[in-house]
Amino acid sequence: DIQMTQSPSTLSASVGDRVTITCRASQSISRWLAWYQQKPGKAPKLLIYKASSLQSGVPSRFSGSGSGTEFTLTISSLQPDDFATYYCQQYNSYPYTFGQGTKLEIK
Amino acid sequence: QVQLQESGPGLVKPSQTLSLTCTVSGGSISSGDYYWSWIRQPPGKGLEWIGYIHYSGSTYYNPSLKSRVTISVDTSKKQFSLKLSSVTAADTAVYYCARALDIVATDIWGQGTMVTVSS
Repeated sequence: DIQMTQSPSTLSASVGDRVTITCRASQSISRWLAWYQQKPGKAPKLLIYKASSLQSGVPSRFSGSGSGTEFTLTISSLQPDDFATYYCQQYNSYPYTFGQGTKLEIK
Repeated sequence: QVQLQESGPGLVKPSQTLSLTCTVSGGSISSGDYYWSWIRQPPGKGLEWIGYIHYSGSTYYNPSLKSRVTISVDTSKKQFSLKLSSVTAADTAVYYCARALDIVATDIWGQGTMVTVSS
């Protein structure tokens, strides 16, 4: 299985900050990487697919980059609604695997 | 728009079989583009991909669960189902059904259903 490792596990930031979350794959996954946002008690929501494509309806302050084994999710200016847990997922090969999550907290 | 809804018992006894159904509304279950998936999340933990079924009946299961998992589809009812046998407390989780595509990953999720394994 491909292992996905996110860093940091927890991130404290303020409204208006620019934040970056990193996801590393244990082997190359080309650009088959998705990012999800999950709020407590809710299902994950797809933000980014194919490493950098913004899902329809997702604000443009979210962006993704990377290829191969290293990827980033950037939020350009944090809004109150963005405080949540973020997961990366590789869908290059089965079984699909997720990172352990990054909890974005209010500083 | 397409919506998914899980249904099934919220409590299952150890060693028994967990059975859940996902109903698809607002769209077709029979499109060749989609892979109808199950994903779970133990309380306070991360996400684990269980497996998928295509409307044609082809399946893929996570090897970590393969010996205990069966996913089936009923296109006439627009439903797909999960069976997980010989459950233990480790199978306690929120179970999500979801729609996946090759290019876009998993774009639509059900709200999730909590299943507790306990006697």
